[in-house]
Amino acid sequence: GENVEQHPSTLSVQEGDSAVIKCTYSDSASNYFPWYKQELGKRPQLIIDIRSNVGEKKDQRIAVTLNKTAKHFSLHITETQPEDSAVYFCAAQFNFGNEKLTFGTGTRLTIIP
Amino acid sequence: GAGVSQTPSNKVTEKGKYVELRCDPISGHTALYWYRQSLGQGPEFLIYFQGTGAADDSGLPNDRFFAVRPEGSVSTLKIQRTERGDSAVYLCASSSYTSGRDDTQYFGPGTRLTVL
Repeated sequence: GENVEQHPSTLSVQEGDSAVIKCTYSDSASNYFPWYKQELGKRPQLIIDIRSNVGEKKDQRIAVTLNKTAKHFSLHITETQPEDSAVYFCAAQFNFGNEKLTFGTGTRLTIIP
Repeated sequence: GAGVSQTPSNKVTEKGKYVELRCDPISGHTALYWYRQSLGQGPEFLIYFQGTGAADDSGLPNDRFFAVRPEGSVSTLKIQRTERGDSAVYLCASSSYTSGRDDTQYFGPGTRLTVL
């Protein structure tokens, strides 16, 4: 089955700087890669996703890149703000009719004011 | 509109007891998922429903775990003879079945299960 590895497990950055979180996946059939943000005690919320026919996607301060050959994808947050502090999870899915998501172990991002 | 809701928000039970966890998906969503999240970990897949049927139950850890969705909407996760290792947050998610278009999984707030 699919296996997703995520690094780093914790990340602290100064407010205004950029943060990068990286994930690798094992199943070359996976074709959908969402990123979720989870604040303490809250539900995971989708912040951005990318499909395997696209190499990069951007939404304001957040971007995701995908390298299918290397089987890795990354989350980039620019101009970080205190409200970006949370745990971020990457996931992979073989999207042929809403299959299960396989999640990484999460990255705890702390923005230092 | 209303998001995914789960009840109860917290459940404390004793080892060996039976528990039921309920999930109300977003109205009209045909796909429903159950995940389990242990402290400091990512959500781990348990079971996936498409309509009333379980399309994939490969994540259920053993036969003490069972889930139903009799009318294709509300789902109940049932755990028999609970063990301390079952303690976790149980998350439910739903999505619309549109074959690769906007099939985002929307999560509920979870039920925190504690087995004493």
